Amino acid sequence: DAGVTQSPTHLIKTRGQHVTLRCSPISGHKSVSWYQQVLGQGPQFIFQYYEKEERGRGNFPDRFSARQFPNYSSELNVNALLLGDSALYLCASSLFPEPRNTEAFFGQGTRLTVV
Amino acid sequence: SQKIEQNSEALNIQEGKTATLTCNYTNYSPAYLQWYRQDPGRGPVFLLLIRENEKEKRKERLKVTFDTTLKQSLFHITASQPADSATYLCALEKGKTGRRALTFGSGTRLQVQP
Repeated sequence: DAGVTQSPTHLIKTRGQHVTLRCSPISGHKSVSWYQQVLGQGPQFIFQYYEKEERGRGNFPDRFSARQFPNYSSELNVNALLLGDSALYLCASSLFPEPRNTEAFFGQGTRLTVV
Repeated sequence: SQKIEQNSEALNIQEGKTATLTCNYTNYSPAYLQWYRQDPGRGPVFLLLIRENEKEKRKERLKVTFDTTLKQSLFHITASQPADSATYLCALEKGKTGRRALTFGSGTRLQVQP
């Protein structure tokens, strides 16, 4: 079975541009969460979607948005990119929308560099 | 504010020894505590999960303890191997919030010398 897949793996963008990152969860998983990991730090929660609805949002500006599609894949959009948005963006899928003694499965991430 | 602390300095040990990593937290009441392994440029990989009402969990060479009074978790790797070299992340999660949102520490880098 395929794990969580993210695309692209690497991306270079210019300040002020817009970016779209994509994630396909593990088959059967309906919950997708997005995390931002800046170098040297742990991942920080951005969004969670379950059954196409937003279930949670972290402390990120409105430049960050996301959506989930009927096939449970998800997109993370970031507008008006800043240098500080450079990070590894991680997608995690899980079976349930809330903690139930189960782990989250992470993709390999998208490395975004803003120049 | 919520805070999760892991040793920011790298932990260097000799092959065959036991590695012990620490995770301390404040202003948080987690229902679940998880440990993940992360290799450079890769996503975290789940290792172990322990619930608030559990004291200890084991899986092969791994052991995790959870002390909700001390607000601390210890993660042990026995008979360590060079292949265990990686960054280890502690993650906490509250229960009954209606959402999945892990709160991570900044991780501890483990280096096992042959």
